[in-house]
Amino acid sequence: QLQLQESGPGLVKPSETLSLSCTVSGGSISGSNYYWGWIRQPPGKGLEWIGSGYYTGSTYYNPSLKSRVTVFVDTSRNQFSVKLSSVTAADTAVYYCARLSSGALDSWGQGTLVTVSS
Amino acid sequence: QSALTQPASVSGSPGQSITISCTGASSDFGTYNLVSWYQQHPGKAPKLILYGGTKRPSGVSNRFSGSESGNTASLTISGLQAEDEADYYCYSYAGFSTPYVFGTGTKVTVV
Repeated sequence: QLQLQESGPGLVKPSETLSLSCTVSGGSISGSNYYWGWIRQPPGKGLEWIGSGYYTGSTYYNPSLKSRVTVFVDTSRNQFSVKLSSVTAADTAVYYCARLSSGALDSWGQGTLVTVSS
Repeated sequence: QSALTQPASVSGSPGQSITISCTGASSDFGTYNLVSWYQQHPGKAPKLILYGGTKRPSGVSNRFSGSESGNTASLTISGLQAEDEADYYCYSYAGFSTPYVFGTGTKVTVV
């Protein structure tokens, strides 16, 4: 059974770069037809799609975050990651990683809370 | 990138049916048929309950069904149960320039 697990700092200072990883177990990240994505949810608010990547290096991003975000798929470690630069308090959220299959997010990590604060 | 519009809340009694709408620009749905729906209980990760507008993943109750018409997708929950009380989100591919977008979310209350 496919499992995804987010990891990374729970506290990031304003103006710095948020970096998270997602470890995939029970399946290969190099599988065809699967993209790997990041989603976030500010406390008490709705879901926001951040971006997705493919094992070949192809990526696409939420236009509102595109200037600050990078998604990278690391096939050697069966992991994928997200970096979000120049963070502010508005970037405080639970961050989820997920697998995208046929346009749907069919497997999710449990989520990790990242707080932006000095 | 505008979110897809959902009603903020919908309520129903046990055993009733409720429908949640998800409305966007026509290009969000009509061309791609890639609307999916998610259920999220408090403090938990979202769970996929419908994909391709109408298909249920293995293990998801057949009380959940979907439909699409024009620029609106809908999720219907039949035979409402207490465990269905949760937040529900639609999600759709919206084209190359704005690839994916979530709905605003709907809180379902079983009264």
